[in-house]
Amino acid sequence: EPEVTQTPSHQVTQMGQEVILRCVPISNHLYFYWYRQILGQKVEFLVSFYNNEISEKSEIFDDQFSVERPDGSNFTLKIRSTKLEDSAMYFCASSEFSINEKLFFGSGTQLSVL
Amino acid sequence: ILNVEQSPQSLHVQEGDSTNFTCSFPSSNFYALHWYRWETAKSPEALFVMTLNGDEKKKGRISATLNTKEGYSYLYIKGSQPEDSATYLCASLPNAGNMLTFGGGTRLMVKP
Repeated sequence: EPEVTQTPSHQVTQMGQEVILRCVPISNHLYFYWYRQILGQKVEFLVSFYNNEISEKSEIFDDQFSVERPDGSNFTLKIRSTKLEDSAMYFCASSEFSINEKLFFGSGTQLSVL
Repeated sequence: ILNVEQSPQSLHVQEGDSTNFTCSFPSSNFYALHWYRWETAKSPEALFVMTLNGDEKKKGRISATLNTKEGYSYLYIKGSQPEDSATYLCASLPNAGNMLTFGGGTRLMVKP
């Protein structure tokens, strides 16, 4: 069965450094998303992406964050200058035609900012 | 901002028990309700997407109902098995927009 893949599974970085989290969504899916879960808190929406542009973003997704689909298969989340509070599990997801369908999630990247 | 709540936070049952848990969400501006099953160290897996008031969906021993007027959904597991042990997440989608808002999850542990 097709799946969403994320790399790396763990990322440790120093505060202030840039990180790029990578995702390969399911190939025929049109909508892509990033969510995150800070330890002990709810899963939070960051951003959705459709037709090569951001379709919606949350308050969390400030100027430090950006997304890109550089080559038609990868979908990346960049955090420009990491803060301690960015430590979380970051999930990539995709859906085939719309948000009204089920999301297929990757297994996540655990980001630790020291 | 939507506030989606799930109860209980955790649940321990014996193998063979049937169980259910609740997801509550704001009924105004509702568009869809998602249920996901999330096993430790794996990715969340979709169970159901429900949109219509009175909707009932079933997948094997798991079923769900939806009441959009009062803003709640129930997830039922009949004859729980140890492999049902997981966190069950619900998420609400408002009308207009594609920001799923998740509840805190119900962690189910089924003892053999």
